Amino acid sequence: NAGVMQNPRHLVRRRGQEARLRCSPMKGHSHVYWYRQLPEEGLKFMVYLQKENIIDESGMPKERFSAEFPKEGPSILRIQQVVRGDSAAYFCASSPSILRDRDSYEQYFGPGTRLTVT
Amino acid sequence: GNSVTQMEGPVTLSEEAFLTINCTYTATGYPSLFWYVQYPGEGLQLLLKATKADDKGSNKGFEATYRKETTSFHLEKGSVQVSDSAVYFCALSTGGGNKLTFGTGTQLKVEL
Repeated sequence: NAGVMQNPRHLVRRRGQEARLRCSPMKGHSHVYWYRQLPEEGLKFMVYLQKENIIDESGMPKERFSAEFPKEGPSILRIQQVVRGDSAAYFCASSPSILRDRDSYEQYFGPGTRLTVT
Repeated sequence: GNSVTQMEGPVTLSEEAFLTINCTYTATGYPSLFWYVQYPGEGLQLLLKATKADDKGSNKGFEATYRKETTSFHLEKGSVQVSDSAVYFCALSTGGGNKLTFGTGTQLKVEL
């Protein structure tokens, strides 16, 4: 069973360009989470999605950031008009589709996409 | 709201020393507690977890006990190895399918 896949692993963008980060959850998982890790900091929650629905976007910046998780294909985190402050590692995690009990709360993380804005 | 506080690093130990990384939390509701480990240049891996009070999570020689009375989940290992050098994150979740709230991470360096 393949783990959570993220690509690209490294992404370099100039200021003002768009960045698209992709995440394929583990097989059988339909819950996806995006987190951002700024240099020397912990992970901060950005958004929680299920297939075709945004469940919680309380951690998303109000402008330039958007996320989707279509019925088919990977989840996409999109950052428009990137600025230097967007440079960070972006991690995707997934969790099982049926949360029967507290043991299902575990989230499985991908290797991350390291975005550098020049 | 939810928050996690863990001791600041870096923590530098000699091989075979005893490790404790403190973690305390505040949460609305009844959280599940986790320790994640991040090796250089990699993503996070779940190290251990506990879902109810007095549960002890353990893995690879690491242990942590869910203490509701002190709202703590301290990570311990009796004898660390150089290969344990990494950043350790304490985290909690308070709802089914809900987001994780992380501490800021503690870097551990183990030297020969």
